[in-house]
Amino acid sequence: SAVISQKPSRDICQRGTSLTIQCQVDSQVTMMFWYRQQPGQSLTLIATANQGSEATYESGFVIDKFPISRPNLTFSTLTVSNMSPEDSSIYLCSVPQETGVPSDTQYFGPGTRLTVL
Amino acid sequence: AQSVTQPDIHITVSEGASLELRCNYSYGATPYLFWYVQSPGQGLQLLLKYFSGDTLVQGIKGFEAEFKRSQSSFNLRKPSVHWSDAAEYFCAVGPRSNDYKLSFGAGTTVTVRA
Repeated sequence: SAVISQKPSRDICQRGTSLTIQCQVDSQVTMMFWYRQQPGQSLTLIATANQGSEATYESGFVIDKFPISRPNLTFSTLTVSNMSPEDSSIYLCSVPQETGVPSDTQYFGPGTRLTVL
Repeated sequence: AQSVTQPDIHITVSEGASLELRCNYSYGATPYLFWYVQSPGQGLQLLLKYFSGDTLVQGIKGFEAEFKRSQSSFNLRKPSVHWSDAAEYFCAVGPRSNDYKLSFGAGTTVTVRA
């Protein structure tokens, strides 16, 4: 299983500012995912971060708001730009267990709890 | 479009009692099915998964789930709940393809009373 760490674990930010969240995995993986969990709601996939290519965003999420970097196979960052209180959420990264079985288990980081004032 | 429904937002159960969490899905074909648990302040942990074969799946922490194709359901059960089972539980589905994208239900919060 993969071990995933995220930094920061939590932050309180002012509206209009940006925050970059880091995700580090203890093994090389092809795909990494970023999810958002708004208060009291389920997880929503923001984007897929692929090494060596642009991230793929889901409907409702755009690169200008959530720029993603993937400089290597063990690391990714998600930036939440020009924040508003509506961005207050837990942001999680995940990686799939790349066993060759489609849609196999995903391992999740502990999450970054963001509060925007 | 695929969807995952967890009808129960919140369940309270006494310690030692049985627990059942419901999950229904709407999908073009039988997807892969998962149950994850999120304890307070922690990330998601996989409890169990169903890909094929035996429709009764055993997971960690004494949990099991049963896939019923005719009902498009994948309900999670535990015969005797422990106080440490208090958490939020998410049902998720994934396509039988290589994009690994999961769709999650809204979650069920389980409270365990002494």
